[in-house]
Amino acid sequence: GENVEQHPSTLSVQEGDSAVIKCTYSDSASNYFPWYKQELGKGPQLIIDIRSNVGEKKDQRIAVTLNKTAKHFSLHITETQPEDSAVYFCAASREGSTLGRLYFGRGTQLTVWP
Amino acid sequence: ETGVTQSPTHLIKTRGQQVTLRCSSQSGHNTVSWYQQALGQGPQFIFQYYREEENGRGNFPPRFSGLQFPNYSSELNVNALELDDSALYLCASSLRTAGEQFFGPGTRLTVL
Repeated sequence: GENVEQHPSTLSVQEGDSAVIKCTYSDSASNYFPWYKQELGKGPQLIIDIRSNVGEKKDQRIAVTLNKTAKHFSLHITETQPEDSAVYFCAASREGSTLGRLYFGRGTQLTVWP
Repeated sequence: ETGVTQSPTHLIKTRGQQVTLRCSSQSGHNTVSWYQQALGQGPQFIFQYYREEENGRGNFPPRFSGLQFPNYSSELNVNALELDDSALYLCASSLRTAGEQFFGPGTRLTVL
């Protein structure tokens, strides 16, 4: 099955700085890569996703890049704010298959200091 | 548009007991997936339901079972609870069996 590795496990940045979280995957058939933000006591919230036919996607302060050859993808948050503090998870799956189960990384605790 | 809802929010059980967790999918979504999230870990796939049938299962024993109803809501049942079953149980709904999944707030299960 798929194996998703995520680094770092914790990340502390000053407000206004950028944050980068990196993930690798093992299954070359994976083609859908979502990122989730989980705040304390809540369920994961989908914040951005990318499909394997695209190399980069942006949504305001958030961007995701994908390198299919190297099997890694990254989340970039610019101009961080204290409300960005949360646990971020990357995931991988096979979109278009009969079962699109998500394989998650272990998460990154992001803390943004004011 | 109503999002994914789960009940109850918290639950405390003892070893050997049985538990039922409930999930209402987002409006228009016909697929429900269940995940277990242990403390400090990423969610792990339990199973998925599509059109009231189990569509796939992760590495969980048969004492984890589920149902999906005609209105696409779903239940997760766990029999013979073990201490290691203590976790946050998440339900996710989607428009189809693969693609974007939207999660509910979860049910925190504690087994004593």
